[in-house]
Amino acid sequence: DIVLTQSPDSLAVSLGERATINCKSSQSLFYSINNKDYLAWYQQKPGQPPKLLISWASTRESGVPDRFSGSGSGTDFTLTISSPQAEDVAVYYCQQYYATPWTFGQGTKVEIE
Amino acid sequence: QVRLQESGPGLVKPSQTLSLTCTVSGDSISGGRSYWTWIRQPAGKTLEWIGRVYTSGTATYNPSLKSRVTISVDASTNQFSLEMTSVTAADTAVYYCAREKGMDSSGSYAYYFDYWSQGILVTVSS
Repeated sequence: DIVLTQSPDSLAVSLGERATINCKSSQSLFYSINNKDYLAWYQQKPGQPPKLLISWASTRESGVPDRFSGSGSGTDFTLTISSPQAEDVAVYYCQQYYATPWTFGQGTKVEIE
Repeated sequence: QVRLQESGPGLVKPSQTLSLTCTVSGDSISGGRSYWTWIRQPAGKTLEWIGRVYTSGTATYNPSLKSRVTISVDASTNQFSLEMTSVTAADTAVYYCAREKGMDSSGSYAYYFDYWSQGILVTVSS
């Protein structure tokens, strides 16, 4: 199985301070035939299902605020919240869809100080 | 708008079979554009992909659960189902059904989850 390791496990930021979450894969998620990285990011608020934020490592889903951005390729990926708002308090997960079984990172909890 | 709603018992006894059904609205399972999947999440832990089914009935499972899991589809009712046998306390979790997007606008097969159910807590206890 592909193992995704997120860092840090938790993160406390001030309103407006940039938040950066890392996701490292045990193998490359880059598929050379279509030049895409098979990685997605989700946001999960308490008591809710995960919400898809970003696919293909950097493609923001419709309706997702542009303060959320994804970057990286191969084995190292980053989710950045450029200016976190109170409503961004949540746990964030990366997920690989390069090879079954699809797997998730362990999650990063983001809090606002 | 695509909606998924799971149903089934919230309490299952150890060694028995867990059975859940997911009803899809706003999309047709028989449309053949997407896979339909089950995911679970124990309290305070990360998400675990259980498996998925296609409109044809072809299913793919997580090897860690394969011996105990069956996922099936009923296109006539736009539902798909999960059965997990010989459950233990370790199977206590919130269970979600979700849609794997399938082919996206770029022409690539996209196996991320774009629509989710609200989740149902299944507790395994006597």
